[in-house]
Amino acid sequence: NAGVTQTPKFQVLKTGQSMTLQCAQDMNHEYMSWYRQDPGMGLRLIHYSVGAGITDQGEVPNGYNVSRSTTEDFPLRLLSAAPSQTSVYFCASSYGGQGYGYTFGSGTRLTVV
Amino acid sequence: RKEVEQDPGPFNVPEGATVAFNCTYSNSASQSFFWYRQDCRKEPKLLMSVYSSGNEDGRFTAQLNRASQYISLLIRDSKLSDSATYLCVVNKPTNAGKSTFGDGTTLTVKP
Repeated sequence: NAGVTQTPKFQVLKTGQSMTLQCAQDMNHEYMSWYRQDPGMGLRLIHYSVGAGITDQGEVPNGYNVSRSTTEDFPLRLLSAAPSQTSVYFCASSYGGQGYGYTFGSGTRLTVV
Repeated sequence: RKEVEQDPGPFNVPEGATVAFNCTYSNSASQSFFWYRQDCRKEPKLLMSVYSSGNEDGRFTAQLNRASQYISLLIRDSKLSDSATYLCVVNKPTNAGKSTFGDGTTLTVKP
């Protein structure tokens, strides 16, 4: 049981490049979310999904796209990388509903130069 | 005002001490609450849920005060290994998919 798997663990991009951060979970969780964490700023929600085919914006969605074609996968696409997107990105999943907490992946450390 | 607020600390305590953190939330209709632990450069990990009746897990006790809109985490007999950042999470009443994290409280337990 792998839990939540994020790839890559580290990435350096040049300004203007695009890339996709991968996230997969094998716990049959309905809910999946993407957060970014900047030093001293806590976790901020980028996008989230409450089931396959359903996505919605979080607190800081600009510059990112998501899709949820399957229950297991929830990729995050950076459309045109900017230095302000340098951050640690966490994917998380949950069974859903009010009573369940999230399981997090180990994160992707992204640097945009 | 932030939806979820925590005292950032740092809290520096000796081994064996009892320490408590509070987390206030602004939406009185919030329905579910959690405490997470995050070690340096690691992912957050669920520590415990917070129930209306309060709950205890070993040295850790979580409580909810709906009237004053805060949750608390009490750690008894602190260990060096308890050093971490503790994050509180509040779920919106109508959308549990949109969890809001506090910025965290940093605890350092010293020998």
